[in-house]
Amino acid sequence: AQSVTQLDSHVSVSEGTPVLLRCNYSSSYSPSLFWYVQHPNKGLQLLLKYTSAATLVKGINGFEAEFKKSETSFHLTKPSAHMSDAAEYFCVVSSRPSGAGSYQLTFGKGTKLSVIP
Amino acid sequence: DGGITQSPKYLFRKEGQNVTLSCEQNLNHDAMYWYRQDPGQGLRLIYYSQIVNDFQKGDIAEGYSVSREKKESFPLTVTSAQKNPTAFYLCASSRITQAGNTIYFGEGSWLTVV
Repeated sequence: AQSVTQLDSHVSVSEGTPVLLRCNYSSSYSPSLFWYVQHPNKGLQLLLKYTSAATLVKGINGFEAEFKKSETSFHLTKPSAHMSDAAEYFCVVSSRPSGAGSYQLTFGKGTKLSVIP
Repeated sequence: DGGITQSPKYLFRKEGQNVTLSCEQNLNHDAMYWYRQDPGQGLRLIYYSQIVNDFQKGDIAEGYSVSREKKESFPLTVTSAQKNPTAFYLCASSRITQAGNTIYFGEGSWLTVV
């Protein structure tokens, strides 16, 4: 079985300070990992994805994430928060739970990011 | 522009009614999905389809039905058997279900029971 844990349901930062959104995963087989952002009443937009290439992944809007297999983590970071970053962020894992058959997606429960002016 | 179109954005359902949410994609994707989103619970999979005329139940399929008669279309019917249908519904698609293939989302539909 696979699972995703977003360690914080809510993170609050001041504008211009760094952002850290934490994600741990569990998967028996080599996973792909994604971060999505959702603004209120909108669909989810892909920020970045890891698919077994470089472990440091750069995404849109200055976000990046590092895949750490030994820690089973895929934390999302940004050096300097902007007001427009206020949204909900979802960590997603994709793998074949039994090593064969269809790939399954598992979503974390989300982290709401607030940015204080 | 290619994308996923969901309609309507807002829908109200009376007790005992069936309602259908539309989802159309022009990305030429094989796989399509329906998710339900409730506050604090993340996304839960209702149904998915990997090919025309075939679909599988997700984690919370009870009270819902789907069809996949065309590659581009994957409508979701919320039946009267769904006792708590008020939620935000998201349709998504991807090329095929394989590692690394990005899943793309529509803008979502709000369903409210009145």
